[in-house]
Amino acid sequence: GAGVSQTPSNKVTEKGKYVELRCDPISGHTALYWYRQSLGQGPEFLIYFQGTGAADDSGLPNDRFFAVRPEGSVSTLKIQRTERGDSAVYLCASSSLAGGPNEQFFGPGTRLTVL
Amino acid sequence: AQTVTQSQPEMSVQEAETVTLSCTYDTSESDYYLFWYKQPPSRQMILVIRQEAYKQQNATENRFSVNFQKAAKSFSLKISDSQLGDAAMYFCALTGANSKLTFGKGITLSVRP
Repeated sequence: GAGVSQTPSNKVTEKGKYVELRCDPISGHTALYWYRQSLGQGPEFLIYFQGTGAADDSGLPNDRFFAVRPEGSVSTLKIQRTERGDSAVYLCASSSLAGGPNEQFFGPGTRLTVL
Repeated sequence: AQTVTQSQPEMSVQEAETVTLSCTYDTSESDYYLFWYKQPPSRQMILVIRQEAYKQQNATENRFSVNFQKAAKSFSLKISDSQLGDAAMYFCALTGANSKLTFGKGITLSVRP
């Protein structure tokens, strides 16, 4: 079956603009995660959804970042008034159940570049 | 808070040889899980191996095995019979009851033919 997909693969924007990054999880996976990976670093947790609700958004850096998952499947990460420091690879992952050893399946990420 | 430390930024191994990647961690949780992920240039994170903290037996997956030292909070990955396709970034990661993964900084592994 299809894995986790993310669009776009690459996004270049100007400082101050608004961007949306999309994640399509594996069909039937109830848990969905967003991570941000800066150059030379490991991924850092942003937000986690269980179904339609955000179960943990403690990793969102500030109120310019927002994510939704209205129907419990596709999720969109939204960044307002982008800054150069937002440049990173944004990774999405999904799993069949939340917590514990359940494997998180990752997408290929969206590379965001803010000029 | 959870932390994962990978102090070696890069390592190199000769094809067919064995290499060990180091990782230490810290957590206040009693029930947690440890993982090694591989990230090739395609950026897609691939699970290599996982270890439940309550299990004393070290996990093994084909050429990949771990040395889990719970008291020392150490979780190293051993790759046997290294292949050219093993070249990638490797990340050690930890999760507890809160579901989110905490990753180390990663290590770049190169394989010499």
